[in-house]
Amino acid sequence: EPEVTQTPSHQVTQMGQEVILRCVPISNHLYFYWYRQILGQKVEFLVSFYNNEISEKSEIFDDQFSVERPDGSNFTLKIRSTKLEDSAMYFCASSRDRGNTGELFFGEGSRLTVL
Amino acid sequence: GQSLEQPSEVTAVEGAIVQINCTYQTSGFYGLSWYQQHDGGAPTFLSYNALDGLEETGRFSSFLSRSDSYGYLLLQELQMKDSASYFCAVTPPTGQLTFGSGTQLTVLP
Repeated sequence: EPEVTQTPSHQVTQMGQEVILRCVPISNHLYFYWYRQILGQKVEFLVSFYNNEISEKSEIFDDQFSVERPDGSNFTLKIRSTKLEDSAMYFCASSRDRGNTGELFFGEGSRLTVL
Repeated sequence: GQSLEQPSEVTAVEGAIVQINCTYQTSGFYGLSWYQQHDGGAPTFLSYNALDGLEETGRFSSFLSRSDSYGYLLLQELQMKDSASYFCAVTPPTGQLTFGSGTQLTVLP
């Protein structure tokens, strides 16, 4: 069964460092998303991406964040200068349509710890 | 914007039926989804209601009332493996999901 894969599963970094989280969405999906979940809290939307551009972004997704689809398979989230409050689980998700079936396919997440 | 309310915790015994309610406020709405999450792992899609009424998928059913901005997830014949967090989520026309704060379900033997 096709699945969304994410790397790394866990990354520890120093405050102020750049981090890149990688995702390989399901191959025939067209819509890509990043979400984050601070420990014990809800899953929060960061950004959606379609046709090689950002479709929507939340207030969390400020200038420190960027996304890219550098080739036909990878979808990356970059945090330029990490802050302590960026510590969270980051989930990548993809869907074939624009969410009007309510179903997104999530990866297992990348846990980011900022020290 | 969107906001969703659901209970923070529910406890039930194995074999029982449990209902997790969700009320929402949203400026645009395609439908209401339900996701399961075990121990902070990947949220997994359970069901989706675009229209009013009940959708049944095995032991799980989901209900939506658009006029009441209300839905619920019904879990029947509870099993220990159903212990998890359950999130309702609204889908606006722009496509991305907005999740509720989640309900931690504990199933006791």
